[in-house]
Amino acid sequence: AQSVTQLDSHVSVSEGTPVLLRCNYSSSYSPSLFWYVQHPNKGLQLLLKYTSAATLVKGINGFEAEFKKSETSFHLTKPSAHMSDAAEYFCVVFNQAGTALIFGKGTTLSVSS
Amino acid sequence: GAVVSQHPSWVICKSGTSVKIECRSLDFQATTMFWYRQFPKQSLMLMATSNEGSKATYEQGVEKDKFLINHASLTLSTLTVTSAHPEDSSFYICSARGVIAGVSTDTQYFGPGTRLTVL
Repeated sequence: AQSVTQLDSHVSVSEGTPVLLRCNYSSSYSPSLFWYVQHPNKGLQLLLKYTSAATLVKGINGFEAEFKKSETSFHLTKPSAHMSDAAEYFCVVFNQAGTALIFGKGTTLSVSS
Repeated sequence: GAVVSQHPSWVICKSGTSVKIECRSLDFQATTMFWYRQFPKQSLMLMATSNEGSKATYEQGVEKDKFLINHASLTLSTLTVTSAHPEDSSFYICSARGVIAGVSTDTQYFGPGTRLTVL
């Protein structure tokens, strides 16, 4: 069965420093992977998605993620954090049928000034 | 584009009453809509998937008679929590995917969620 594991429930960084949110996946086939962000009182927003094209995926707001099959990882990074990046981030994988999303438990990103 | 709205954003009801939550795709045709439930500080759990004009497919453990889902048009799906109890208090989120500007997409677009509190 497909699943994703977000290795950190909470990450704290200072504004202007790099962000790393870690995600490992488990899948018996080549997965479709996503990162979503959830701000309070706003809908989940798609940051980026990997669908077996380039392994380095660039998303919105300066975020990017690299698919590493050998490490079964899909970590989310950003070179320089902004205060507005503080939110909940979810690593997500499609089920095998491609009909439903399976969410990780989420990582809360805090950004301090 | 690809905006999904939910109404209401917050509802408080008495135990035993029924509550209806609406999910609308504002600028695209939602051929498939999904309903999720999110407990505080936890992940989203898929409750059911509905295709326009068809009966919803419920995930294991979700009571279909308690959580009634209707997807009668390409822009509207409703979730009715029947005879709500305090344990049904949660954050309910819908998402939709379908045809945007004439192109079919598998990307899901999420609504802002509805917070249900049952007293």
